[in-house]
Amino acid sequence: GESVGLHLPTLSVQEGDNSIINCAYSNSASDYFIWYKQESGKGPQFIIDIRSNMDKRQGQRVTVLLNKTVKHLSLQIAATQPGDSAVYFCAERHSGYALNFGKGTSLLVTP
Amino acid sequence: NAGVTQTPKFRVLKTGQSMTLLCAQDMNHEYMYWYRQDPGMGLRLIHYSVGEGTTAKGEVPDGYNVSRLKKQNFLLGLESAAPSQTSVYFCASTQDLNYGYTFGSGTRLTVV
Repeated sequence: GESVGLHLPTLSVQEGDNSIINCAYSNSASDYFIWYKQESGKGPQFIIDIRSNMDKRQGQRVTVLLNKTVKHLSLQIAATQPGDSAVYFCAERHSGYALNFGKGTSLLVTP
Repeated sequence: NAGVTQTPKFRVLKTGQSMTLLCAQDMNHEYMYWYRQDPGMGLRLIHYSVGEGTTAKGEVPDGYNVSRLKKQNFLLGLESAAPSQTSVYFCASTQDLNYGYTFGSGTRLTVV
Protein backbone atom coordinates (compact mmCIF):
# COMPACT_ATOMS: atom_id res chain seq x y z
CA GLY A 1 0.00 0.00 0.00
CA GLU A 2 0.91 3.65 -0.04
CA SER A 3 3.25 4.88 2.62
CA VAL A 4 3.26 8.09 4.56
CA GLY A 5 6.67 9.19 5.71
CA LEU A 6 8.16 11.75 8.02
CA HIS A 7 11.43 13.50 7.35
CA LEU A 8 12.86 13.41 10.89
CA PRO A 9 12.25 10.85 13.62
CA THR A 10 13.08 13.32 16.44
CA LEU A 11 12.94 17.06 16.83
CA SER A 12 14.25 19.04 19.78
CA VAL A 13 13.17 22.67 20.25
CA GLN A 14 13.49 25.23 22.99
CA GLU A 15 10.47 26.35 24.89
CA GLY A 16 8.97 29.39 23.24
CA ASP A 17 10.36 28.63 19.79
CA ASN A 18 8.22 27.59 16.86
CA SER A 19 8.26 23.93 15.79
CA ILE A 20 7.85 22.55 12.30
CA ILE A 21 7.15 18.88 11.74
CA ASN A 22 7.18 17.60 8.19
CA CYS A 23 5.46 14.76 6.42
CA ALA A 24 5.71 13.41 2.88
CA TYR A 25 3.07 11.34 1.17
CA SER A 26 3.25 9.48 -2.09
CA ASN A 27 -0.27 9.13 -3.44
CA SER A 28 -1.47 12.06 -5.53
CA ALA A 29 -5.05 10.89 -4.96
CA SER A 30 -4.83 11.61 -1.23
CA ASP A 31 -7.61 14.02 -0.41
CA TYR A 32 -7.68 14.29 3.37
CA PHE A 33 -4.87 14.76 5.87
CA ILE A 34 -4.75 14.81 9.64
CA TRP A 35 -2.21 15.47 12.34
CA TYR A 36 -2.40 13.55 15.59
CA LYS A 37 -0.53 14.04 18.86
CA GLN A 38 0.30 11.07 21.06
CA GLU A 39 1.54 11.52 24.59
CA SER A 40 3.32 8.71 26.37
CA GLY A 41 0.93 5.94 27.38
CA LYS A 42 -2.07 7.50 25.67
CA GLY A 43 -3.97 7.12 22.44
CA PRO A 44 -3.49 9.55 19.53
CA GLN A 45 -5.39 12.82 19.82
CA PHE A 46 -6.70 14.80 16.86
CA ILE A 47 -4.93 18.13 16.38
CA ILE A 48 -5.94 19.52 13.01
CA ASP A 49 -6.97 18.35 9.57
CA ILE A 50 -6.92 19.72 6.04
CA ARG A 51 -8.57 18.73 2.80
CA SER A 52 -6.88 18.67 -0.57
CA ASN A 53 -8.79 21.73 -1.80
CA MET A 54 -6.96 23.85 0.78
CA ASP A 55 -3.29 24.69 1.23
CA LYS A 56 -3.38 26.13 4.74
CA ARG A 57 -5.47 25.78 7.85
CA GLN A 58 -4.99 27.33 11.25
CA GLY A 59 -6.02 26.27 14.70
CA GLN A 60 -5.06 27.34 18.17
CA ARG A 61 -1.24 27.73 18.01
CA VAL A 62 -1.09 25.22 15.16
CA THR A 63 -1.02 25.60 11.40
CA VAL A 64 -1.05 22.87 8.80
CA LEU A 65 0.37 23.55 5.35
CA LEU A 66 -0.30 21.34 2.36
CA ASN A 67 1.79 21.42 -0.79
CA LYS A 68 0.18 19.07 -3.28
CA THR A 69 2.77 19.78 -5.94
CA VAL A 70 5.52 18.11 -3.95
CA LYS A 71 3.20 15.96 -1.82
CA HIS A 72 4.29 17.51 1.43
CA LEU A 73 2.46 18.31 4.64
CA SER A 74 3.75 20.25 7.61
CA LEU A 75 2.57 21.06 11.11
CA GLN A 76 3.70 24.31 12.65
CA ILE A 77 3.37 24.82 16.39
CA ALA A 78 3.77 28.39 17.61
CA ALA A 79 5.46 29.22 20.91
CA THR A 80 6.14 25.58 21.74
CA GLN A 81 5.44 24.62 25.34
CA PRO A 82 6.61 21.67 27.47
CA GLY A 83 3.13 20.18 27.14
CA ASP A 84 3.70 19.92 23.41
CA SER A 85 6.32 17.21 23.95
CA ALA A 86 4.86 14.12 22.31
CA VAL A 87 4.96 12.02 19.17
CA TYR A 88 3.22 13.59 16.20
CA PHE A 89 1.72 11.51 13.41
CA CYS A 90 0.47 12.57 10.05
CA ALA A 91 -2.23 10.49 8.38
CA GLU A 92 -3.76 10.55 4.95
CA ARG A 93 -6.65 9.01 3.13
CA HIS A 94 -6.67 8.34 -0.60
CA SER A 95 -9.20 5.55 -1.00
CA GLY A 96 -11.14 3.03 0.98
CA TYR A 97 -12.28 3.32 4.52
CA ALA A 98 -9.12 3.75 6.54
CA LEU A 99 -6.44 6.32 7.23
CA ASN A 100 -2.79 5.57 6.57
CA PHE A 101 -0.44 6.73 9.29
CA GLY A 102 3.17 7.81 9.18
CA LYS A 103 5.75 6.47 11.61
CA GLY A 104 5.74 9.56 13.80
CA THR A 105 8.10 12.33 14.86
CA SER A 106 9.06 12.72 18.49
CA LEU A 107 9.02 16.36 19.61
CA LEU A 108 11.05 17.23 22.68
CA VAL A 109 10.65 20.68 24.19
CA THR A 110 13.59 21.79 26.31
CA PRO A 111 13.52 24.61 28.86
CA ASN B 1 -18.62 11.41 27.58
CA ALA B 2 -16.58 8.20 27.61
CA GLY B 3 -15.76 8.19 23.87
CA VAL B 4 -13.85 5.02 22.99
CA THR B 5 -13.13 2.59 25.82
CA GLN B 6 -10.73 -0.32 25.53
CA THR B 7 -10.47 -3.22 27.93
CA PRO B 8 -8.22 -4.52 29.28
CA LYS B 9 -5.47 -1.88 29.48
CA PHE B 10 -2.70 -4.41 30.06
CA ARG B 11 -2.39 -8.13 29.56
CA VAL B 12 0.33 -10.75 29.57
CA LEU B 13 -0.33 -13.96 27.65
CA LYS B 14 1.60 -17.15 27.21
CA THR B 15 2.30 -18.34 23.69
CA GLY B 16 -0.69 -20.28 22.41
CA GLN B 17 -3.24 -18.70 24.72
CA SER B 18 -6.26 -16.91 23.38
CA MET B 19 -7.89 -13.66 24.38
CA THR B 20 -10.35 -11.02 23.25
CA LEU B 21 -9.83 -7.27 23.35
CA LEU B 22 -12.97 -5.22 23.68
CA CYS B 23 -13.60 -1.81 22.18
CA ALA B 24 -16.75 0.08 23.06
CA GLN B 25 -17.82 3.49 21.75
CA ASP B 26 -20.78 5.55 22.91
CA MET B 27 -20.85 8.04 20.01
CA ASN B 28 -23.02 5.95 17.66
CA HIS B 29 -20.17 5.82 15.15
CA GLU B 30 -20.52 3.64 12.07
CA TYR B 31 -16.86 2.95 11.41
CA MET B 32 -14.54 1.18 13.80
CA TYR B 33 -10.90 0.16 13.48
CA TRP B 34 -8.23 -1.88 15.18
CA TYR B 35 -4.61 -0.76 14.82
CA ARG B 36 -1.43 -2.09 16.31
CA GLN B 37 1.49 0.14 17.20
CA ASP B 38 5.05 -1.12 17.31
CA PRO B 39 8.22 0.91 17.89
CA GLY B 40 9.33 2.58 14.67
CA MET B 41 6.38 1.15 12.73
CA GLY B 42 3.66 3.67 13.32
CA LEU B 43 0.04 2.52 13.37
CA ARG B 44 -0.86 -0.44 11.18
CA LEU B 45 -4.43 -1.41 10.42
CA ILE B 46 -5.45 -4.91 11.48
CA HIS B 47 -9.18 -5.05 10.75
CA TYR B 48 -11.99 -2.58 10.40
CA SER B 49 -15.77 -2.42 10.24
CA VAL B 50 -18.01 -0.12 8.23
CA GLY B 51 -21.12 -0.92 10.24
CA GLU B 52 -22.82 -3.38 12.52
CA GLY B 53 -22.38 -6.93 11.29
CA THR B 54 -19.54 -6.08 8.88
CA THR B 55 -15.79 -6.65 9.11
CA ALA B 56 -12.90 -6.37 6.68
CA LYS B 57 -9.17 -7.08 6.66
CA GLY B 58 -6.60 -4.36 6.94
CA GLU B 59 -2.87 -4.33 6.35
CA VAL B 60 -1.85 -6.93 8.96
CA PRO B 61 -4.85 -9.24 9.64
CA ASP B 62 -3.07 -12.58 10.07
CA GLY B 63 -3.50 -14.16 13.49
CA TYR B 64 -6.47 -11.97 14.41
CA ASN B 65 -10.22 -12.20 14.09
CA VAL B 66 -12.87 -9.57 14.73
CA SER B 67 -16.58 -9.30 15.28
CA ARG B 68 -19.08 -6.42 15.31
CA LEU B 69 -22.31 -7.93 16.53
CA LYS B 70 -23.43 -4.64 18.08
CA LYS B 71 -22.82 -1.22 16.59
CA GLN B 72 -21.11 0.08 19.72
CA ASN B 73 -18.69 -2.84 20.18
CA PHE B 74 -15.78 -4.08 18.11
CA LEU B 75 -13.97 -7.16 19.40
CA LEU B 76 -10.47 -8.24 18.45
CA GLY B 77 -9.57 -11.87 19.06
CA LEU B 78 -6.28 -13.68 19.17
CA GLU B 79 -6.88 -17.41 18.83
CA SER B 80 -3.33 -18.57 19.52
CA ALA B 81 -1.08 -15.77 20.69
CA ALA B 82 2.47 -15.51 19.39
CA PRO B 83 5.36 -13.34 20.64
CA SER B 84 5.14 -11.37 17.36
CA GLN B 85 1.76 -10.11 18.56
CA THR B 86 3.35 -8.27 21.46
CA SER B 87 2.25 -4.72 20.77
CA VAL B 88 0.04 -1.86 21.81
CA TYR B 89 -3.41 -2.15 20.30
CA PHE B 90 -5.59 0.86 19.58
CA CYS B 91 -9.22 0.97 18.68
CA ALA B 92 -10.66 3.96 16.85
CA SER B 93 -14.01 5.05 15.51
CA THR B 94 -15.55 7.71 13.31
CA GLN B 95 -19.01 8.58 12.11
CA ASP B 96 -17.87 10.05 8.82
CA LEU B 97 -14.98 9.12 6.56
CA ASN B 98 -14.44 12.81 5.90
CA TYR B 99 -13.35 13.30 9.48
CA GLY B 100 -10.68 11.93 11.75
CA TYR B 101 -10.89 9.16 14.27
CA THR B 102 -11.44 9.11 17.99
CA PHE B 103 -8.97 6.72 19.57
CA GLY B 104 -9.13 4.67 22.72
CA SER B 105 -6.29 4.73 25.24
CA GLY B 106 -4.84 1.42 24.08
CA THR B 107 -4.20 -2.12 25.31
CA ARG B 108 -0.62 -3.11 25.98
CA LEU B 109 -0.27 -6.83 25.23
CA THR B 110 2.80 -8.90 25.95
CA VAL B 111 3.07 -12.47 24.72
CA VAL B 112 5.76 -14.55 26.42
